[in-house]
Amino acid sequence: DGGITQSPKYLFRKEGQNVTLSCEQNLNHDAMYWYRQDPGQGLRLIYYSQIVNDFQKGDIAEGYSVSREKKESFPLTVTSAQKNPTAFYLCASSISPPGEQYFGPGTRLTVT
Amino acid sequence: AQRVTQPEKLLSVFKGAPVELKCNYSYSGSPELFWYVQYSRQRLQLLLRHISRESIKGFTADLNKGETSFHLKKPFAQEEDSAMYYCAPTGGGNKLTFGTGTQLKVEL
Repeated sequence: DGGITQSPKYLFRKEGQNVTLSCEQNLNHDAMYWYRQDPGQGLRLIYYSQIVNDFQKGDIAEGYSVSREKKESFPLTVTSAQKNPTAFYLCASSISPPGEQYFGPGTRLTVT
Repeated sequence: AQRVTQPEKLLSVFKGAPVELKCNYSYSGSPELFWYVQYSRQRLQLLLRHISRESIKGFTADLNKGETSFHLKKPFAQEEDSAMYYCAPTGGGNKLTFGTGTQLKVEL
């Protein structure tokens, strides 16, 4: 599997703490994406980036922040403002948007 | 905004039976449409895209602009087809909108 990696696989945090999820790709893709997957709701887009130093809000960006300082990396910060942060988070990349997207293995975040 | 409807949460068929996973979208323009699949313990991956007009693993999907549908079909289901399937059209920007998914279960 290589190509796009996410770490850690499982993450536990206390309510009120910010947490950053890692996403790295070595596919030389320009575009990267963050999705949230909840049971019965499919994938919902949080943020996406079409090029380095640029990113756009997706459908559910409130309570999240991102940065794209390097082509290979697109970290997602789940802030304390996110009301329901417990979820499965997927990162993806594509050569160009929207294109064929390649997905990482995901990070399951649990906030208590 | 683009809306996608996959009406069936779960579709159960017997091995060898035909399969049709339904997908309807709302965008009135000319979207690009994708089907993604997630097998058990594997990553979400592209199954097929409508512009390629390919048959992947025996699956095909025809875009019906009049009905705004992009149903996924396979004439004879196999056990290994059991997975979660997501329809994902573009529309309204350089991003995909994923449906809620249909869990396909192929029974022996």
